[in-house]
Amino acid sequence: QVQLVQSGPEVKKPGSSVKVSCKTSGGSFSNYGINWVRQAPGQRLEWMGGVIPFSGTTSYARKFRDRLTITADESTNTGYMELSSLRSEDTAVYYCTRGVDIVVVPAASWFDPWGQGTLVTVSS
Amino acid sequence: EIVLTQSPATLSLSPGERATLSCRASQSVSGYLAWYQQRPGQAPRLLIYDASNRATGIPARFSGSGSETDFTLTISSLEPEDFAVYYCQQRTSWPSFGPGTKVELK
Repeated sequence: QVQLVQSGPEVKKPGSSVKVSCKTSGGSFSNYGINWVRQAPGQRLEWMGGVIPFSGTTSYARKFRDRLTITADESTNTGYMELSSLRSEDTAVYYCTRGVDIVVVPAASWFDPWGQGTLVTVSS
Repeated sequence: EIVLTQSPATLSLSPGERATLSCRASQSVSGYLAWYQQRPGQAPRLLIYDASNRATGIPARFSGSGSETDFTLTISSLEPEDFAVYYCQQRTSWPSFGPGTKVELK
């Protein structure tokens, strides 16, 4: 059974960066997309972007393209999401999730399973 | 950008009752629509994909239907663990989610 375990909560200052990790176990890592979805308080889920580990192919939502970096380390089966130039509106729970199917573009698959979520709080 | 809307925002029902949730897309998504369940304090989990296929391990009381722009999730007989928020998602273009329908205990 595939499991995704994320790093712990973060508190950051406006203008700084945050890097969240997502370690997978129990299944193949390299061929399935790792995507990141966030949920701000009271808001809908929002897809941010994803990566296919073996190829390094990434896709980013237009909204985040200039300050988001998503990577994957095949040696440790871990995905990473780094968001820079943080502002208060970035306060949210950030989830990693694996694609259900083997695809060439990260977002071309449904998302399951999901990590437990990482709360990122941006406050001065 | 494809925008998804869901109705109703909240559904107040009792265990054993039937729940019918709606998701509408601003343009056709063909059959590329999924439903997720999110219980309080938990991550979402995939229920239905490609509009009508149940994900692995999902009980038969959950069913999905629809195509193009109009989709429905039906829970035939609510169990206590089904009271949660349900989101629809499309992936025809960049993935997007609906605002959710909360199924609450009446």
